[in-house]
Amino acid sequence: QAGLTQPPSVSKDLRQTATLTCTGNSNNVGNQGAAWLQQHQGHPPKLLSYRNNKRPSGISERFSASKSGDTASLTITGLQPEDEADYYCSAWDTSRSAWVFGGGTKLTVL
Amino acid sequence: DVQLVESGGGLVPPGGSLRLSCTASGFTFNSHSMNWVRQAPGKGLEWVSSIDGTSGYIYYGDSVRGRFTVSRDNPKNSLYLQLNSLRADDTAVYYCAREDVNWAYGMDVWGQGTTVTVSS
Repeated sequence: QAGLTQPPSVSKDLRQTATLTCTGNSNNVGNQGAAWLQQHQGHPPKLLSYRNNKRPSGISERFSASKSGDTASLTITGLQPEDEADYYCSAWDTSRSAWVFGGGTKLTVL
Repeated sequence: DVQLVESGGGLVPPGGSLRLSCTASGFTFNSHSMNWVRQAPGKGLEWVSSIDGTSGYIYYGDSVRGRFTVSRDNPKNSLYLQLNSLRADDTAVYYCAREDVNWAYGMDVWGQGTTVTVSS
């Protein structure tokens, strides 16, 4: 299944702000929104944001999600070394009755 | 604590079968849809299958439909994935993931994963 589109990599300096994007279509991100996951090497993914852009309990306020049309965004402020990870977006596709994932963005904190 | 623990992975030859299990604890299992998501070595996440709390709605990804079967046993707080006709490209870490009670809001709890290797 065709997935959501994410840039493969993003690099930002320590304490700066990174904005990661995720583009889908009207059947998924456009009408369902996107959830965001963080995955550190060798670990399972962790949910950072629900599709309604709300954070689960325990997730730092430095992570915020938004959506405009068919594109969802995850903004991470005050970048820290521990933010270096892979970030995935996911959305339910109503035309396929399937979850779709983005290919992931590798965030490097310089 | 809310927890998911997968088991059943291993080495299997092409064309073989395997049954994965996921045992849940710390939450009301039958209130949540459950998913299997896999990750091939060095690759991204790929959704495999979803099953709702009553097993009334079941969905599969295109690459596994007709070969894999998802099921659950709510009294045992367990989720299963039967893998048949396995191929080399099914090699991956298989994660069990819980969906939030609000359907399709996101997968908010993940297990540590179990590794399936398909090779002769």
